[in-house]
Amino acid sequence: AQSVTQLDSHVSVSEGTPVLLRCNYSSSYSPSLFWYVQHPNKGLQLLLKYTSAATLVKGINGFEAEFKKSETSFHLTKPSAHMSDAAEYFCVVTDNTNAGKSTFGDGTTLTVKP
Amino acid sequence: DTEVTQTPKHLVMGMTNKKSLKCEQHMGHRAMYWYKQKAKKPPELMFVYSYEKLSINESVPSRFSPECPNSSLLNLHLHALQPEDSALYLCASTPKAGQIYSNQPQHFGDGTRLSIL
Repeated sequence: AQSVTQLDSHVSVSEGTPVLLRCNYSSSYSPSLFWYVQHPNKGLQLLLKYTSAATLVKGINGFEAEFKKSETSFHLTKPSAHMSDAAEYFCVVTDNTNAGKSTFGDGTTLTVKP
Repeated sequence: DTEVTQTPKHLVMGMTNKKSLKCEQHMGHRAMYWYKQKAKKPPELMFVYSYEKLSINESVPSRFSPECPNSSLLNLHLHALQPEDSALYLCASTPKAGQIYSNQPQHFGDGTRLSIL
């Protein structure tokens, strides 16, 4: 079975400060992990993915995430927040069970203050 | 611009109406998905089509009827919907479907915002 827990439902940062969005997962097999961003009235856009290659994954718009198997975590970070980063973020896990269906976290709303 | 196109962007319908949502992709993907997303919630999977055949139906009520007429097009036919069906309906695609392809990210459209009066 697979599951995802996004540890913060809301995160608020000031523009120019670091961003940390936390995600823990549970998977019986080698998981694939994704972070997606959703801006208001838009679909989900892939930020980055982990699929058993390098544990530090770089994505678009300066985001990166580190896969830590011992901690079952896949936290998303960015060194310096921009106003345009304000959005909803979803951590997603899939593995070789569950017919390949994805399991979504409940989402984290990121607010960026000027 | 997204590579998955959904129309219409907004739809308001009464509970007795029949309408359809359309999704189109030209990336050569052979798996397409319908999701329902309520406000402040993650997307919920409704249907998966693989090679134009329905492979997953997440026990969705029969008032939602999917159709995949060809590899690029996915429709969702709506009839006798309820107010609780008001939501954002998202379409997504991947090159292929199934657990051995679970490392593929999904490409999402911008959705259809559906309101049931």
